[in-house]
Amino acid sequence: DQQVKQNSPSLSVQEGRISILNCDYTNSMFDYFLWYKKYPAEGPTFLISISSIKDKNEDGRFTVFLNKSAKHLSLHIVPSQPGDSAVYFCAAYPQGAQKLVFGQGTRLTINP
Amino acid sequence: DTAVSQTPKYLVTQMGNDKSIKCEQNLGHDTMYWYKQDSKKFLKIMFSYNNKELIINETVPNRFSPKSPDKAHLNLHINSLELGDSAVYFCASSQGDWSPLHFGNGTRLTVT
Repeated sequence: DQQVKQNSPSLSVQEGRISILNCDYTNSMFDYFLWYKKYPAEGPTFLISISSIKDKNEDGRFTVFLNKSAKHLSLHIVPSQPGDSAVYFCAAYPQGAQKLVFGQGTRLTINP
Repeated sequence: DTAVSQTPKYLVTQMGNDKSIKCEQNLGHDTMYWYKQDSKKFLKIMFSYNNKELIINETVPNRFSPKSPDKAHLNLHINSLELGDSAVYFCASSQGDWSPLHFGNGTRLTVT
C-alpha cells in the first residue's frame, strides 16, 4: 500500500539544465508535501515544502509544483549543479496525522 | 554541534542477540521518531514520541521497544534479532505540527 510513489528510480541530467523529479500520491487527504535530499551514508535533509492550499513554492534554484486534481507534485531544479547529485525523496503528511509518508526515492545524477 | 546524532553508525550482530541504538537531538524539538529504510529503500515510520510519550506505533513487532528518558533522547532496543531486521534505522526530530523532520545519519544494522 504505497501511498506516495516516485516511479522513476533514477534520472540523469546535464549540468546547467533543468532537473524535474516527479511524485504521485493516492491519498487525497494528504495535507502537506515535502522534498528531501539524501547523500550516501547521511540522513535525508529537508529541501522544500508546499501546503495543499498552494500550487507552487519557490526557494532559490528549487521550485515545487502541486497539481491536486492529478495528485501529482514535481520538484524543479534549475540550473542543476554537480552537488545536486543525490537521492530525492518526496514525502507527505496526511490530514490529522503527524506521520510523514515517504516515496521510494529517485537517484539524480548531474553530469558535467 | 550535530543536530540529531545516533550511535552506533554500524552494527553487525548475530541472530538472536539483543541490541540498542541511541539517539539524541539538541534542537529543542518536542517530537522524535524512528524510521526504517529497508533493502528496497522505502523509509517507513516505526515510532513517534512527543515529549516522552508514545504517539505513533506502527505495526512493528514487539521485539522493538523504544524508550524516551527525556524529550531530547529516543533509544531503540531490539530483542531476539532476526535476519529481516537488517536495515538502516534513522532517528529524526521535529517541532511537531507537520513541520519538517530533521534526520540523524542512520545506523546500518546487519544481522548474520
